[in-house]
Amino acid sequence: KAGVTQTPRYLIKTRGQQVTLSCSPISGHRSVSWYQQTPGQGLQFLFEYFSETQRNKGNFPGRFSGRQFSNSRSEMNVSTLELGDSALYLCASVGLNTEAFFGQGTRLTVV
Amino acid sequence: AQSVTQLDSQVPVFEEAPVELRCNYSSSVSVYLFWYVQYPNQGLQLLLKYLSGSTLVESINGFEAEFNKSQTSFHLRKPSVHISDTAEYFCAVTSNRDDKIIFGKGTRLHILP
Repeated sequence: KAGVTQTPRYLIKTRGQQVTLSCSPISGHRSVSWYQQTPGQGLQFLFEYFSETQRNKGNFPGRFSGRQFSNSRSEMNVSTLELGDSALYLCASVGLNTEAFFGQGTRLTVV
Repeated sequence: AQSVTQLDSQVPVFEEAPVELRCNYSSSVSVYLFWYVQYPNQGLQLLLKYLSGSTLVESINGFEAEFNKSQTSFHLRKPSVHISDTAEYFCAVTSNRDDKIIFGKGTRLHILP
């Protein structure tokens, strides 16, 4: 079966712009979570969606938002980009056995 | 709240030598424990997991980890490492309440020839 698909793989944006990242989970998986990975902070939890509802949210400013559609696909949006938002953004989908499968990530560079 | 501590940010080890990557966690509820591996320029892959049952869990490529509830640890071991094991390893926890994963800071494993 297909894995977790994240698009795009790479993005370059300028400060002040906004960006939308997409994640298609594995078919049948119940939840989608987003993580930000940076060299300094490691992997930090952004938010989790289950059945189109945000079930958990990490400690990120309101510029970071997300949503999940009825087909389980998820998007995250970052508005008013800052240089510090440069990171690898990872999406994970979780099946019934609690095992999380990660996508390849979207590498966002803010210049 | 849950947290994960990986005490070593980098571990150098000679090829074919044994290795142990340390992980300690704290949680007020029952947890599930995981080790993930990240190869350069790739996403995370699950290496092994502890959900319940036997406290010793093994992966298909020779890694094993032992859940120790009294010491709140889940250390990862391999008796003989290969150059292909060069990667960053992340210990992680979730609870049985949701799918939020809390990661440690990661341990970069350097295999020396």
